[in-house]
Amino acid sequence: QVQLVQSGAEVAKPGASVKITCKASGYTFTSYSIHWVRQAPGQGLEWMGMIDASGGGSTYAQRFQGRVTMTRDRSTSTVYMDLRSLRSEDTAVYYCTRVGIVGAKSAFFDFWGQGTLVIVSS
Amino acid sequence: EIVLTQSPATLSVSPGERATLSCRAGQSLGTNLAWYQKKPGQAPRLLIYGASTRATGIPARFSGSGSGTEFTLSISSLQSEDCAVYYCQQNNTWPLTFGGGTMVEIK
Repeated sequence: QVQLVQSGAEVAKPGASVKITCKASGYTFTSYSIHWVRQAPGQGLEWMGMIDASGGGSTYAQRFQGRVTMTRDRSTSTVYMDLRSLRSEDTAVYYCTRVGIVGAKSAFFDFWGQGTLVIVSS
Repeated sequence: EIVLTQSPATLSVSPGERATLSCRAGQSLGTNLAWYQKKPGQAPRLLIYGASTRATGIPARFSGSGSGTEFTLSISSLQSEDCAVYYCQQNNTWPLTFGGGTMVEIK
């Protein structure tokens, strides 16, 4: 069965970086793009960006440009999301999620990781 | 960026009654719209994609309709386990965007 398993919770100081992992299993890793979505406390869902698991190309939401990098390791079917220059407003649960259409960069999301809580606090 | 406006913000429905949620887009999406259910402490769950196609395993009481800029998610007979926040999401244009959500509660 399809699974996306994320790394554990993180506490980071303002200005620091955090790197979250998302390990995929149960499907052909390179056939589906992976996106990242976050939810701050009491807020809605926010799309951050995506990575093409096959070619490695990425697209980011403008508000995260310059602060986020998404990479993948095909040998371990793992996607990484690195967020830098953290501020308190980055406190949120971060989800990796798979698009529901083979080969599509943009689509709906059919499988989700369990979420990773990131707390930014001094 | 395409803005998705969901209404109402909160919907109170009696058990067994129908719940109707709205999602309005700032520009035409065709049918490139999905709906998700989000419960506290859980990941979002895909309900509907392509505006009207139920995802695998989703009960038939959930249905989606609409195209262009006006979309609706209906829950035909509300069950207690349907209490959640519901989000619409468009994948017609970059950047992908979500609506602000509608909280559904039992009256």
